[in-house]
Amino acid sequence: DIQMTQSPSSLSASVGDRVTITCRASQSISTYLNWYQQKPGKAPKLLIYAASTLQSGVPSRFSGSGSGTDFTLTISSLQPEDFAAYYCQQSYNTRAFGPGTRVEIK
Amino acid sequence: QVQLVQSGAEVKKPGASVKVSCQSSGYTFTNYDINWVRQATGQGPEWMGWMNPNSGATGYSQKFQGRVTMTRSTSISTAYLELSDLRSDDTAVYYCARSGFGTGVNFDYWGQGTLVTVTS
Repeated sequence: DIQMTQSPSSLSASVGDRVTITCRASQSISTYLNWYQQKPGKAPKLLIYAASTLQSGVPSRFSGSGSGTDFTLTISSLQPEDFAAYYCQQSYNTRAFGPGTRVEIK
Repeated sequence: QVQLVQSGAEVKKPGASVKVSCQSSGYTFTNYDINWVRQATGQGPEWMGWMNPNSGATGYSQKFQGRVTMTRSTSISTAYLELSDLRSDDTAVYYCARSGFGTGVNFDYWGQGTLVTVTS
């Protein structure tokens, strides 16, 4: 099975900060990588699919990059509504999620 | 608009089975897979498997093989998840989510979640 890791597991940041989250696959998954945001008590929300394509309606401050085994999610200027958990997901074979990164207010 | 509406919360005893439903509307049910994802409190999402509503074909995570069954009723655009031999660590919120078929899919619409509590 392909293992997904994320770093960091949590981070503290301020409004306006640039935030980068990393996701790594244990073997190449091409660009079959999605990113989700989840707030407490809610279902995950799709932000980016195919590593770098922004889902309709998602603000342009979110961006994704990478291919193969290494991927990043960047929030260019953190907004109050962005404090949440973020998960990567590979769709190369299974559809497993990474362990997540919690973005907290500094 | 696309909606996935799930059945209500369940409380089950260890060893029992649970069946959760997910009714779809706002799109053609047979044109998209339905996936099931669960999430225990404080943990990340855990993908359980997918079902093709057109053919009934399924693909299950190895972790749940033998305990999970995903079915559908196309006449009422509803997918079902059945999990058997429940244990306390099956306590979680269970979500259905829509995706395309095959490789490179993403989960663009989700149900509201169903809390399943396993307790003696």
